[in-house]
Amino acid sequence: DAKTTQPNSMESNEEEPVHLPCNHSTISGTDYIHWYRQLPSQGPEYVIHGLTSNVNNRMASLAIAEDRKSSTLILHRATLRDAAVYYCIPGTPLVFGKGTRLSVIA
Amino acid sequence: DTGVSQNPRHKITKRGQNVTFRCDPISEHNRLYWYRQTLGQGPEFLTYFQNEAQLEKSRLLSDRFSAERPKGSFSTLEIQRTEQGDSAMYLCASSLVEGSPLHFGNGTRLTVT
Repeated sequence: DAKTTQPNSMESNEEEPVHLPCNHSTISGTDYIHWYRQLPSQGPEYVIHGLTSNVNNRMASLAIAEDRKSSTLILHRATLRDAAVYYCIPGTPLVFGKGTRLSVIA
Repeated sequence: DTGVSQNPRHKITKRGQNVTFRCDPISEHNRLYWYRQTLGQGPEFLTYFQNEAQLEKSRLLSDRFSAERPKGSFSTLEIQRTEQGDSAMYLCASSLVEGSPLHFGNGTRLTVT
């Protein structure tokens, strides 16, 4: 399994952009990079995934480094409902680490 | 979209008892996954199914744990002779095919006293 490194916690002001980094230096060439988030008392929720190119959806954008050893999840305007633990996961089946706990300040 | 359903939501049992949890995936989802999550940790992968076939089991899945998906639809996870260390949230997820996003249920919280 590819090892990932994410900050334990981050803080953002409401309506500001948030960049959540992830290092996955041992990722294999065919592994997709998945991002999930988990709100309190809920199961994880899919956010976005990608292989090589940057990806956008209604929730977020995913920027993948050219060497694929790192990626960044971008929330364009953080809201209070985005406060959650964000997990970066290379490959399947999904092996979750501890993730980054994002706090959003009003 | 009814989502992934897990029952019961909470289970309290005494050490040594057997417990069984049920997961109903989103219909037509071929893949079904079980995870375990303890406080402050990310979910830990336990096992997954492609239809009725169990394709992979984590080493965390001791011989006291067994999972089935008899007709490729719902799945059950049984823990025999429960121990206090089994206390955790047990999460189920399903996906349409390999590589497609996982949809998680809200879990079954097990407390072993």
